[in-house]
Amino acid sequence: EAGVAQSPRYKIIEKRQSVAFWCNPISGHATLYWYQQILGQGPKLLIQFQNNGVVDDSQLPKDRFSAERLKGVDSTLKIQPAKLEDSAVYLCASATGLAGGAYEQYFGPGTRLTVT
Amino acid sequence: AQSVTQLGSHVSVSEGALVLLRCNYSSSVPPYLFWYVQYPNQGLQLLLKYTSAATLVKGINGFEAEFKKSETSFHLTKPSAHMSDAAEYFCAVSRSGGSYIPTFGRGTSLIVHP
Repeated sequence: EAGVAQSPRYKIIEKRQSVAFWCNPISGHATLYWYQQILGQGPKLLIQFQNNGVVDDSQLPKDRFSAERLKGVDSTLKIQPAKLEDSAVYLCASATGLAGGAYEQYFGPGTRLTVT
Repeated sequence: AQSVTQLGSHVSVSEGALVLLRCNYSSSVPPYLFWYVQYPNQGLQLLLKYTSAATLVKGINGFEAEFKKSETSFHLTKPSAHMSDAAEYFCAVSRSGGSYIPTFGRGTSLIVHP
């Protein structure tokens, strides 16, 4: 089966610009996650979807970050405007089961964002 | 609140030696625990998980981990390291029911010397 797809793989922008990331999860996976991974740290959950509804977005900086999952399938994460501290790898993951279970998360390769 | 502590940002072993990567967790409810591996420029891949069944969990590539509630630990081991095991390893915790936030440790880089 095809894995989790993310695009673009790399993005360089200047501070105060906007950027969007796209994720296509594994077909049939109900739950989708967006993580931010800063260099030298573990992934930090930004937002979690179950089908097309938000399960948890408590760690999403809502003044500049937004995310949506259209029709419960693919998802976009947007940053507007970007700050230097947003430089990180943004990981998308999906899982078969519903939120709260011990389901394996399948991760995409990530998008490396550099803000200058 | 739940958290994960991985002791040692880098662990260096010789090929054929025992691998031990340490993970301690805190959780107010019985946890689900995971170990993931990340190779350069790739996404994370599940090695193994604990879900309140057997306390000794076997995973892929010869790795295993033991859940010790009294020590709040979930250390990852492999009897004999291979060069191909060189990667970043992450311990993660989540809990059951409703809304939860999967929490990852900072990661441990495993270096394998010939």
